[in-house]
Amino acid sequence: AQSVTQLDSQVPVFEEAPVELRCNYSSSVSVYLFWYVQYPNQGLQLLLKYLSGSTLVKGINGFEAEFNKSQTSFHLRKPSVHISDTAEYFCAVSDKGGSEKLVFGKGTKLTVNP
Amino acid sequence: DVKVTQSSRYLVKRTGEKVFLECVQDMDHENMFWYRQDPGLGLRLIYFSYDVKMKEKGDIPEGYSVSREKKERFSLILESASTNQTSMYLCASRDRSGANVLTFGAGSRLTVL
Repeated sequence: AQSVTQLDSQVPVFEEAPVELRCNYSSSVSVYLFWYVQYPNQGLQLLLKYLSGSTLVKGINGFEAEFNKSQTSFHLRKPSVHISDTAEYFCAVSDKGGSEKLVFGKGTKLTVNP
Repeated sequence: DVKVTQSSRYLVKRTGEKVFLECVQDMDHENMFWYRQDPGLGLRLIYFSYDVKMKEKGDIPEGYSVSREKKERFSLILESASTNQTSMYLCASRDRSGANVLTFGAGSRLTVL
């Protein structure tokens, strides 16, 4: 069974600073990896996904993530954040061949301050 | 764009009431899901459905049931609501051919008094 650990529950940063939200997963098989974002009072929307191929994945709103198989990590990064990036971010994993269930981390609340 | 609509954004119910949460998707997706979201616990899967009239238990099915009579509609039912079911409920759908990419509704925030 898969599991996901988001290492920081809250990350405060100043506007225009870089940010990294950390995600580690565990799985005994090959995986798909995802980052979702949830703005206040909204549902989740897909930010980016890793299915195969290049380990550096680019998503919407200037975010990117790097799949590191040896470290079983999928950290999310943005070089310069905006106030509008304030939201909760969820990392998720599913295996490629078996269960179709998506397992989510507990979320990281990113707060961008002026 | 796929749209997943949860008709009730905010509900307040009393302990013991029967509660229906409705979810409708408009892109002919085969798979639909109900998650519960609580602070510090992330999203936990309650039930999912691969197709009409099919349902599978997720990680926390106790106290819930579901109904999928039509492909576009997936209902979550709380037979007798309890205060520990106060939560945000998120519905999602997925195309069977997709690599597990879920499209979510805006959520239904349920308060049980």
